[in-house]
Amino acid sequence: DAKTTQPNSMESNEEEPVHLPCNHSTISGTDYIHWYRQLPSQGPEYVIHGLTSNVNNRMASLAIAEDRKSSTLILHRATLRDAAVYYCILRRETSGSRLTFGEGTQLTVNP
Amino acid sequence: DAGVTQSPTHLIKTRGQQVTLRCSPKSGHDTVSWYQQALGQGPQFIFQYYEEEERQRGNFPDRFSGHQFPNYSSELNVNALLLGDSALYLCASSRRRARETQYFGPGTRLLVL
Repeated sequence: DAKTTQPNSMESNEEEPVHLPCNHSTISGTDYIHWYRQLPSQGPEYVIHGLTSNVNNRMASLAIAEDRKSSTLILHRATLRDAAVYYCILRRETSGSRLTFGEGTQLTVNP
Repeated sequence: DAGVTQSPTHLIKTRGQQVTLRCSPKSGHDTVSWYQQALGQGPQFIFQYYEEEERQRGNFPDRFSGHQFPNYSSELNVNALLLGDSALYLCASSRRRARETQYFGPGTRLLVL
């Protein structure tokens, strides 16, 4: 599986936008970019995924660079409940359901 | 919809013992995957079950084994427990054909003394 690189930690203030970066310079053409998050004392939770185009859903937006070597998860208005570890994962169609997690980014949201 | 459920929530064992963890997938899901998450680390894939057979396996020794039942629920068995097996064990379910995202349970926290 291709490797992703994320900052270990980031801080944000409540009600402000948050941009969580992810580098994946060895991404292949069939790799989907997935984001999961893990709140304290819970299992990971799906956030969003995309292949080439930017994606929006009720939780977040995913901005994918034109060369696909990086992406950014955007939380438009951070709340205290968004404090979690955010994982950027490359998932190849042929890898089935298997997810390869890195260490993720610990997001702290300040009131 | 109950989502993915796991039991027990916490467990304490001693070295050398054996443990069985259980998982019920989300309604409508037929594929179950197991992950191990050590403290401060991301989850690591152990194996995946579909149609009652192990389909994919991560880099874990044979002490880790599993089973899937006709109702799609699953068990994870770990034999000859080591201190290093202390971790959060997560179960995730999905629908294989749709290759959908995975839904995770809350995990079982295993402590090996």
